[in-house]
Amino acid sequence: DAGVTQSPTHLIKTRGQQVTLRCSPKSGHDTVSWYQQALGQGPQFIFQYYEEEERQRGNFPDRFSGHQFPNYSSELNVNALLLGDSALYLCASSLFLTRGGSPQTDTQYFGPGTRLTVL
Amino acid sequence: AQSVTQLDSHVSVSEGTPVLLRCNYSSSYSPSLFWYVQHPNKGLQLLLKYTSAATLVKGINGFEAEFKKSETSFHLTKPSAHMSDAAEYFCVRRDTGRRALTFGSGTRLQVQP
Repeated sequence: DAGVTQSPTHLIKTRGQQVTLRCSPKSGHDTVSWYQQALGQGPQFIFQYYEEEERQRGNFPDRFSGHQFPNYSSELNVNALLLGDSALYLCASSLFLTRGGSPQTDTQYFGPGTRLTVL
Repeated sequence: AQSVTQLDSHVSVSEGTPVLLRCNYSSSYSPSLFWYVQHPNKGLQLLLKYTSAATLVKGINGFEAEFKKSETSFHLTKPSAHMSDAAEYFCVRRDTGRRALTFGSGTRLQVQP
């Protein structure tokens, strides 16, 4: 059973460029979340996709955008890169649930991450 | 905003001695709480999760955590540390009806031979 996979593993870009990161969820999962982990810090939530729509967004600017495909895989796009965007970008997959009428996601499983360096 | 606080940024223990990593959470209606571990240059691995069932939760690799509502704590313990336990540990919450995980700042565990 393949777990969450991400590509590429490493990426080097210069300021002002654009980047696309890719994620394939664990088999059977339908929800993908993206997190940014700066050096020495805990991951921070960027956004979550379910049914090809952004369902929740963290405190990140519009330069960060995403997409989910019909096969549940996802892309994270970052435009106009800044030095501060250098980080480990983590993708997490999960299964969407409804409990007591309240939508939520089950346990999130993380991929190995993409290390982005902006020069 | 609801949060989690990891009380120690670094913990050092000797191999074979007990491990205690402390986590407090800000009060909320029935948060789900998790512990994840991150080994160097690797992704996050789920150790255990609490979702309002039993307050003592057993996880992988001999780790366990106890949910104490009166103390708003969710400390992670292991009876005997192994060298392979050296890693960064994150206490994490997810609030009811929310999709995002909120991470603590992490505790780096060192295991001395």
